[in-house]
Amino acid sequence: GENVEQHPSTLSVQEGDSAVIKCTYSDSASNYFPWYKQELGKGPQLIIDIRSNVGEKKDQRIAVTLNKTAKHFSLHITETQPEDSAVYFCAARRNSGYSTLTFGKGTMLLVSP
Amino acid sequence: GAVVSQHPSRVICKSGTSVKIECRSLDFQATTMFWYRQFPKKSLMLMATSNEGSKATYEQGVEKDKFLINHASLTLSTLTVTSAHPEDSSFYICSAVVAGGRLDTQYFGPGTRLTVL
Repeated sequence: GENVEQHPSTLSVQEGDSAVIKCTYSDSASNYFPWYKQELGKGPQLIIDIRSNVGEKKDQRIAVTLNKTAKHFSLHITETQPEDSAVYFCAARRNSGYSTLTFGKGTMLLVSP
Repeated sequence: GAVVSQHPSRVICKSGTSVKIECRSLDFQATTMFWYRQFPKKSLMLMATSNEGSKATYEQGVEKDKFLINHASLTLSTLTVTSAHPEDSSFYICSAVVAGGRLDTQYFGPGTRLTVL
């Protein structure tokens, strides 16, 4: 089955800095890679996703890059703000049948004012 | 769009009782819903996949007689924790996939905090 590794487990940055979270996956058949933001006591919120037919996707201050050859994908947050502080999860999935998302272990991002 | 709700948000019960958690897709129909469990500072652990009108598919190690799942309509799935014990205390989260949409885009509910005394 799929295995998703996520690093770092915690990341502290100053407001305005950039933050990068990296994930690797093991199943070469995976072709869907979402990122979720989870605030304390709440459910995960989909913030961006990428499919294997593209290498990069941007949405305002958030971007995701995908390297299928190396089987890794990354989340980039620019101009971080204190409200970006949360736990971020990456995930991977085969887009077929009843495949389910496999999640990384999460990264706690702390943005200091 | 694509809002998923859960009820209740928090529940405290006595050991031995059963607790039902509801998951609703508010503005879309969901043929597939998922139930996850999350321990403090841990990732999401998939418990089961629920398809409307059919039996749920449970992940290995999840007791189907303890965690009863019913997906009776395209907008509602329920998880019943039967004969709850303190070790069942956890954060339970459901998610839903838009019917007829991409199978991969999952929207999560806000979660239910279960505490068993």
